[in-house]
Amino acid sequence: EVQLLESGGGLVQPGGSLRLSCAASGFTFSNYAMSWVRQAPGKGLEWVSVISGTDGSTYYADSVKGRFTISRDNSKNTLYLQMNSLRAEDTAIYYCAKGTAMIRRPFDYWGQGTLVTVSS
Amino acid sequence: SYVLTQPPSVSVAPGQTARITCGGNNIGSKSVHWYQQQPGQAPVLVVYDDSDRPSGIPERFSGSNSGHTATLTISRVEAGDGADYYCQVWDSSSDHYVFGTGTKVTVL
Repeated sequence: EVQLLESGGGLVQPGGSLRLSCAASGFTFSNYAMSWVRQAPGKGLEWVSVISGTDGSTYYADSVKGRFTISRDNSKNTLYLQMNSLRAEDTAIYYCAKGTAMIRRPFDYWGQGTLVTVSS
Repeated sequence: SYVLTQPPSVSVAPGQTARITCGGNNIGSKSVHWYQQQPGQAPVLVVYDDSDRPSGIPERFSGSNSGHTATLTISRVEAGDGADYYCQVWDSSSDHYVFGTGTKVTVL
């Protein structure tokens, strides 16, 4: 059974940093692209970033490029999102989502999310 | 940047058909995926590649895509179908995933 478990969310001040983790199980993690998707309170889904399972290619939404870094440790079956220079508008539930071997494909499994609150 | 536009809300009586549109420039040339999100839950993939269904998704969920509009159709709507629905594409010109604005389906 595929499972994705996010952690690392919490309250952080504007300008601060946070690292999210997503522990994966139930599939061969290294073979699959993984994404982060966020949802601000009462708002829609916003894609944040994706990392390839094959060559480690990464892509970012314009709203986070230069501030967030996606990475993965295939030996630990874990996906990460390093978030720096956080802003109030980054407040959201952050979901990790499993893709397929290729980037650009849909997300067939999602975690339950971790809440990030940016506030002074 | 590529924009996907959905109606904010759709209301449907039980047993009837709900149609949710997703508008985008020449969206017919892209593969469209649809997600259902129940309140307080993570999204679930219900249709991918315009019209295919993942295992476990009822045949009542179907999709189509042509021209500038993709459509998710829910036949014989049940109370449990009330949720938010989002379309999604990969925009190869920007190497970004794009989600639609979302549609809240209310079962009357």
